[in-house]
Amino acid sequence: NAGVMQNPRHLVRRRGQEARLRCSPMKGHSHVYWYRQLPEEGLKFMVYLQKENIIDESGMPKERFSAEFPKEGPSILRIQQVVRGDSAAYFCASSRTGTVLYEQYFGPGTRLTVT
Amino acid sequence: GIQVEQSPPDLILQEGANSTLRCNFSDSVNNLQWFHQNPWGQLINLFYIPSGTKQNGRLSATTVATERYSLLYISSSQTTDSGVYFCAVKSAGGSEKLVFGKGTKLTVNP
Repeated sequence: NAGVMQNPRHLVRRRGQEARLRCSPMKGHSHVYWYRQLPEEGLKFMVYLQKENIIDESGMPKERFSAEFPKEGPSILRIQQVVRGDSAAYFCASSRTGTVLYEQYFGPGTRLTVT
Repeated sequence: GIQVEQSPPDLILQEGANSTLRCNFSDSVNNLQWFHQNPWGQLINLFYIPSGTKQNGRLSATTVATERYSLLYISSSQTTDSGVYFCAVKSAGGSEKLVFGKGTKLTVNP
């Protein structure tokens, strides 16, 4: 009964490096959502994906950030040329479908620290 | 977009006390979830409650969608209840994203 899996749990990058965060949804779930939590704040939506499709990326910064959910394998959130302001906890959630009938379940998060 | 306000922002209790956390939202919703973020940062699903009342052990929740609020009740609090409680909603306008409130930070002292 595995839940949403994220790795790595902690990631340290120097300014200018790339960060790759991975998310495997719960079994039977085909919809993935990424959220970011800055220190002492609530979670903010970034992007919503189905297999091979980005459905809503209205919360993604316009530059340096990208996301994918390939046909095979986990969803990837990629941050290029990281800056200190990218330091945050990044949570992935999954749901059975994208309808309102199903709740979202969250993974343990990846804590990114940019030095 | 939809606004979500939670109150109180901070709450300190003695073990055994009861508490009520409130979530107000500014527009119609068709999904509302309550989460507990424990001191290790993990988000635990508490309730999926777009309307009505649900109970799970010492916790219960009520959402009155027509009046745009939800309440989370914690009875006989324990130190393990400490953490941040978030309310998150999906606007009835169509976006699938959850919009989170800023949370209520609960500290339960022994």
